[in-house]
Amino acid sequence: AQSVTQLGSHVSVSEGALVLLRCNYSSSVPPYLFWYVQYPNQGLQLLLKYTSAATLVKGINGFEAEFKKSETSFHLTKPSAHMSDAAEYFCAVILNTNAGKSTFGDGTTLTVKP
Amino acid sequence: DAGITQSPRHKVTETGTPVTLRCHQTENHRYMYWYRQDPGHGLRLIHYSYGVKDTDKGEVSDGYSVSRSKTEDFLLTLESATSSQTSVYFCAIRGQGASDTQYFGPGTRLTVL
Repeated sequence: AQSVTQLGSHVSVSEGALVLLRCNYSSSVPPYLFWYVQYPNQGLQLLLKYTSAATLVKGINGFEAEFKKSETSFHLTKPSAHMSDAAEYFCAVILNTNAGKSTFGDGTTLTVKP
Repeated sequence: DAGITQSPRHKVTETGTPVTLRCHQTENHRYMYWYRQDPGHGLRLIHYSYGVKDTDKGEVSDGYSVSRSKTEDFLLTLESATSSQTSVYFCAIRGQGASDTQYFGPGTRLTVL
C-alpha cells in the first residue's frame, strides 16, 4: 500500500521568502515521487520527479525537492517566492508494481503576499 | 501541450441521468486514467486503462464505468448521476514506464443537480 501526507493545507509566505511545502509518504517498496502544480481552472503540471537517481531533484520555476529515505519525505522548496508561484501543489507517489497508479496528497495551497 | 483534450469542459445535469465524459489523446500512450478532484481530497483514481479494452478499477469506482475501444479515446460514464458525483474530472495519460510523467487534461467540471 502507498499513501501520501501533505502537512499544511494552506501555506502563506511573503514575496522573496523561502517556500517549503512538506510531503511524507509511506510505501512498502522504493517509490517514484512527483510534485505537481495546479493553477486555477487548469489541469496539473509536473514540477519535478524523483525516480531513484539523484536524491536532490531540480524542477521548473526554481523549485527543487530532496528525497530522504530515512525520513520518508520529499519536501518541495524554493529559495525565493514569486507572486506567480501562488497555486495549489500536489505530491504524488507511484510504485513500479501497480500500473503506475498514483496516490496523491490532499494538496497545499500556496499564497504569496506582496 | 501533451495532446490531451476533454469534452465537454462543463456540464450541468440532473440526478438520475446518464453522463459520458470523453478523453482524447494524440500521443498514442498506452496508459490512461480518470481522476476526480474534490476540495480537501486531492485527486482520487476512478478507473484506468492499460490498453484497448483493458481497464481496471481505482479507489473510487462505484457508480462509474469506462470503455476504451481505441487507443486515443477513454470514456467515463456515470450510469445514473448523483449529487455526490459533482466534481472536477481529470483525464491523464502516461507512457510505458511507471516513472514516466503523467500528463493531465484540462478537466471537466460536472454539476449534478
